[in-house]
Amino acid sequence: DTAVSQTPKYLVTQMGNDKSIKCEQNLGHDTMYWYKQDSKKFLKIMFSYNNKELIINETVPNRFSPKSPDKAHLNLHINSLELGDSAVYFCASSQDGTRPQPQHFGDGTRLSIL
Amino acid sequence: SQQGEEDPQALSIQEGENATMNCSYKTSINNLQWYRQNSGRGLVHLILIRSNEREKHSGRLRVTLDTSKKSSSLLITASRAADTASYFCATVATAAGNKLTFGGGTRVLVKP
Repeated sequence: DTAVSQTPKYLVTQMGNDKSIKCEQNLGHDTMYWYKQDSKKFLKIMFSYNNKELIINETVPNRFSPKSPDKAHLNLHINSLELGDSAVYFCASSQDGTRPQPQHFGDGTRLSIL
Repeated sequence: SQQGEEDPQALSIQEGENATMNCSYKTSINNLQWYRQNSGRGLVHLILIRSNEREKHSGRLRVTLDTSKKSSSLLITASRAADTASYFCATVATAAGNKLTFGGGTRVLVKP
C-alpha cells in the first residue's frame, strides 16, 4: 500500500498551460505539504494544510493554488505555466503540522515545461 | 533561502567503509531531521534529533547535534551499495511547528 501517492508521475506540457497535480495519503495524517525540488536538488516548502486549513504559505507566485477537499487529499493547481516551473514537486504528510514530526513523502511529480 | 549547508556535496566510498556527512544551519532550532532520497524517489525519514539531544542511533546510523556550533553530522557505518542515495538534513526552527527547511544534500555513492 502506497502511503503518499501523487499523480501524475510525469507531466510534460507547454508554457502557458494550466495543470493540476493530485496527492492522497492513506496514513490518517492531519497535515499535508507541497515541496518543490529544483534541478540542483534544493527542496523548498511551498504550502501546508492542517485538517484542510492552510497553515504554511511561502513566497510562491499566486499562479500556484493548493486545494484540500479533505484531510487525505491536497492538490496543486498551476496556472499559466512558465519555464521556471520545471521541477519535481513532492507531496508529504505528517501526523500533526503543529509539532515537529517525521514527514512522509510521495515519489514526486516531474514537471517539464516545453 | 536555504537554512543549512551540507558538506561534502558528494562522497564516494567502498562498500564496508564508513560515510560521514555534515550539516550546518543558521537559526535556533527545535529539532533537526535527516532524510534519504534514492534516485527518482521521494524522501525517506531517517532520524529526528531534538535540540536538547546530543547523539542518536538507529541501526547503522549515528547522528550528532552540536547546537553551540549549529551543526550536525550523520555517520553511516559499514556502508552497503544500497546506501547509495542523497542525504538531506532539515531543520525545524523554534516555534515553527513542523516546517522543514532543507540543506542542499550530500550525494553518496557506495561502490561494491
